[in-house]
Amino acid sequence: GQNIDQPTEMTATEGAIVQINCTYQTSGFNGLFWYQQHAGEAPTFLSYNVLDGLEEKGRFSSFLSRSKGYSYLLLKELQMKDSASYLCAVRDRKAAGNKLTFGGGTRVLVKP
Amino acid sequence: SQTIHQWPATLVQPVGSPLSLECTVEGTSNPNLYWYRQAAGRGLQLLFYSVGIGQISSEVPQNLSASRPQDRQFILSSKKLLLSDSGFYLCAWSKNTGGEPYNEQFFGPGTRLTVL
Repeated sequence: GQNIDQPTEMTATEGAIVQINCTYQTSGFNGLFWYQQHAGEAPTFLSYNVLDGLEEKGRFSSFLSRSKGYSYLLLKELQMKDSASYLCAVRDRKAAGNKLTFGGGTRVLVKP
Repeated sequence: SQTIHQWPATLVQPVGSPLSLECTVEGTSNPNLYWYRQAAGRGLQLLFYSVGIGQISSEVPQNLSASRPQDRQFILSSKKLLLSDSGFYLCAWSKNTGGEPYNEQFFGPGTRLTVL
């Protein structure tokens, strides 16, 4: 099976930077996804990593180290609208149907 | 472009009543389809997935069932709801690409179910 851990909650100030860590254990890693989910809404795709290194998309970046089973999502220049839950999800190459296993999510609260 | 619909958006049902939630996808063919449940403040739990018409895989034993009567239609059902069935139900789809790495899942707007 897969085990995915991320912090439950983080608080940061508007304009600052926040880093959300995700650690995973899987026998056949085949990609890691980050999703954003505002309260009461559906998750929306943010980023994808399958090779080691940093992927940058505007204010958001995601990093992966496959040897350490570790990823982080970096949110820069925080805005109030970034207050949301951030979900880390991993795909195993042995999993049929392109299934993803999700972590419990990290709720980020951005304060003025 | 592709869109995914779910209905109803909210539902309040008594314990022991039946359930039917529907999900449809437009703008793609032969998608993989998924049903997730999310308890308040928690992550997503995969309930069922389907790689084709009539093909359903169950991830956890439970009081629910799923069906895929048409290529882009996915239905979640129960004969008798339990209190523990309350939650936020999300349908999702992904391309059926046989393991292509970059293949994210796209989520519908969700159904909030309250069982009283």
